[in-house]
Amino acid sequence: KAGVTQTPRYLIKTRGQQVTLSCSPISGHRSVSWYQQTPGQGLQFLFEYFSETQRNKGNFPGRFSGRQFSNSRSEMNVSTLELGDSALYLCASSIPTGPTDTQYFGPGTRLTVL
Amino acid sequence: DAKTTQPPSMDCAEGRAANLPCNHSTISGNEYVYWYRQIHSQGPQYIIHGLKNNETNEMASLIITEDRKSSTLILPHATLRDTAVYYCIVRVALYTGNQFYFGTGTSLTVIP
Repeated sequence: KAGVTQTPRYLIKTRGQQVTLSCSPISGHRSVSWYQQTPGQGLQFLFEYFSETQRNKGNFPGRFSGRQFSNSRSEMNVSTLELGDSALYLCASSIPTGPTDTQYFGPGTRLTVL
Repeated sequence: DAKTTQPPSMDCAEGRAANLPCNHSTISGNEYVYWYRQIHSQGPQYIIHGLKNNETNEMASLIITEDRKSSTLILPHATLRDTAVYYCIVRVALYTGNQFYFGTGTSLTVIP
């Protein structure tokens, strides 16, 4: 079974621009979560989507948004990019099954904001 | 979710067992212990999880103390490819959500 895929793998943008990242979950997985990883803050939870609905959100500004499509694929959008948004953005998918739900991560998208 | 405490770094000789400790003294009865690892700049990889019984799979063993306040991940025969940052995560499966809180992890270096 194919793993979680993320596109693009690398991206360079300038301050003020916006960016859209894409995530395709493992086949049959309906939950998609997004995380941001930076050297200073580590891995931080952004939000989770399940059945096209955001059901959990981390402590990030409204510039960070996402959505999920009927085929469970998800996109996240960052508007008005800031230098501090440079990070590895990770997507994880799960079935979900309940208390023992396991998330499987993609390789990430490396975003650099100049 | 309960907080976890892990040593920042550890070394292990190749071929020996790597024992990675994790303290989660505030864990609740419905919280599971998960272990993930992240090899440089890749996505975290699931290793194992457990509630209160010891668990073993093809990658590792998870030993949880009887009071559940700490656990140990054991890689039985460490190889150079096991060099990575290992995260111990305690999570409750929220009825309305699903999220992990990653700490700073333990950077394991396997030495030839």
